[in-house]
Amino acid sequence: GAVVSQHPSWVICKSGTSVKIECRSLDFQATTMFWYRQFPKQSLMLMATSNEGSKATYEQGVEKDKFLINHASLTLSTLTVTSAHPEDSSFYICSALDRGDSPLHFGNGTRLTVT
Amino acid sequence: KQEVTQIPAALSVPEGENLVLNCSFTDSAIYNLQWFRQDPGKGLTSLLLIQSSQREQTSGRLNASLDKSSGRSTLYIAASQPGDSATYLCAVQPTGTASKLTFGTGTRLQVTL
Repeated sequence: GAVVSQHPSWVICKSGTSVKIECRSLDFQATTMFWYRQFPKQSLMLMATSNEGSKATYEQGVEKDKFLINHASLTLSTLTVTSAHPEDSSFYICSALDRGDSPLHFGNGTRLTVT
Repeated sequence: KQEVTQIPAALSVPEGENLVLNCSFTDSAIYNLQWFRQDPGKGLTSLLLIQSSQREQTSGRLNASLDKSSGRSTLYIAASQPGDSATYLCAVQPTGTASKLTFGTGTRLQVTL
């Protein structure tokens, strides 16, 4: 079945540094990928929709200059958390759309801890 | 704005029990509804997807129903097992927005021996 690989699975960084998270569709082409954020014991909140070859669409309240999204190919989208701060510590999950009528496929998530 | 609520927030049952998880949504204009499982620190595994025109879907010991007009869905788990322990999330996809899911708050299930 379709697989979405997310890397790294966890990362610890110092405040002020930037962190890049990769989301790859391994056996299908994903024209659209989605980035979610999940705080402990809370649900997933959509951050942005990433479309291959175009600018990402950000949800209200999400800073596009802080969370840089690049979808340069049909199999890879990246989320870069710039100048990370402790409040950015969270679980980030990506998902990818295979076809318009198919379920989303989710990555295993990235646990970001900013110290 | 669509809001999705799940009740209960947490549930603990002994092995072998049948159980029902509830999901409600405020806007009935949905394209489909999905149930996911999330293990601690992991991503999501899709369990069942119900299209808006369907009433229920079944997979093994899982059965999900959908009452779109009342904004409700239930996930029925038969003969629960310790391996079923996880957080269960429901998510709705509204009409007209490609796969932009709104997730519920989740139910943390623990099945004890």
